[in-house]
Amino acid sequence: SAVISQKPSRDICQRGTSLTIQCQVDSQVTMMFWYRQQPGQSLTLIATANQGSEATYESGFVIDKFPISRPNLTFSTLTVSNMSPEDSSIYLCSVYGLAGREQYFGPGTRLTVT
Amino acid sequence: KNEVEQSPQNLTAQEGEFITINCSYSVGISALHWLQQHPGGGIVSLFMLSSGKKKHGRLIATINIQEKHSSLHITASHPRDSAVYICAVPPHNYGQNFVFGPGTRLSVLP
Repeated sequence: SAVISQKPSRDICQRGTSLTIQCQVDSQVTMMFWYRQQPGQSLTLIATANQGSEATYESGFVIDKFPISRPNLTFSTLTVSNMSPEDSSIYLCSVYGLAGREQYFGPGTRLTVT
Repeated sequence: KNEVEQSPQNLTAQEGEFITINCSYSVGISALHWLQQHPGGGIVSLFMLSSGKKKHGRLIATINIQEKHSSLHITASHPRDSAVYICAVPPHNYGQNFVFGPGTRLSVLP
C-alpha cells in the first residue's frame, strides 16, 4: 500500500488568489493523479502528473488554471489559480498500487473560496 | 465507456439496522472497489473484489460479474459508519483511469 499526505488539509481563500496543494507519497510512483470533488458530487479527474513530463489534463481542465509540478517520483503540487467560489471543493491526490488495480488516496484538501 | 451507477443516492438508517448499497456498471470488468469517504474528505479502500463475497468485520461486499452488479452490506450499523460509500471500477489497461460511481451518502442515527 501507499501512504499519502497532503498539505494543507483545508483553507479558506479569497476570490482571485491562488493556492498550492502539496502531495507527498511514501514510495516512488510513476503517475500521480489529482481529483476534484465538488460539494455533493463524485470524484472528477483533473490531471495525471508524470515525473519528467508535462501533466496530462482531462477535458474541461487547463494548465493555466491548474498548473501541476512533479519534481520527483514522490511529490507533486497542484495550484488552483485565480480562484472563484466555483473552485470550492475537496482536492485529492491519488496513486495506483503496483499492479495498477488498487488506488490510494490522500486525505484531501478542503478548499473554500469566498 | 464504463458507466457506474449507485443506489440509493442518500440513505438514513437507525443504529443497528442492516444496510445495503448497490452498484451497477455497464462494461465487463475484472474487479471492483468499494471506497469509504469520511466527512473530512479522506478516502479509504474497503474492498477490492473480483468474484463472490468478501467480509471484513461488519462489512460484506458481494459481486456478480455476469449481472454487472455489486452490493455493500453493513450489519448492525453504527453512527461511525456515516460516510459516503463509492464504488469504483479500475481501468482495463494500465494508464487509463478509474471510473467512480456517484457515491451513496449514509447517515446512521443513534
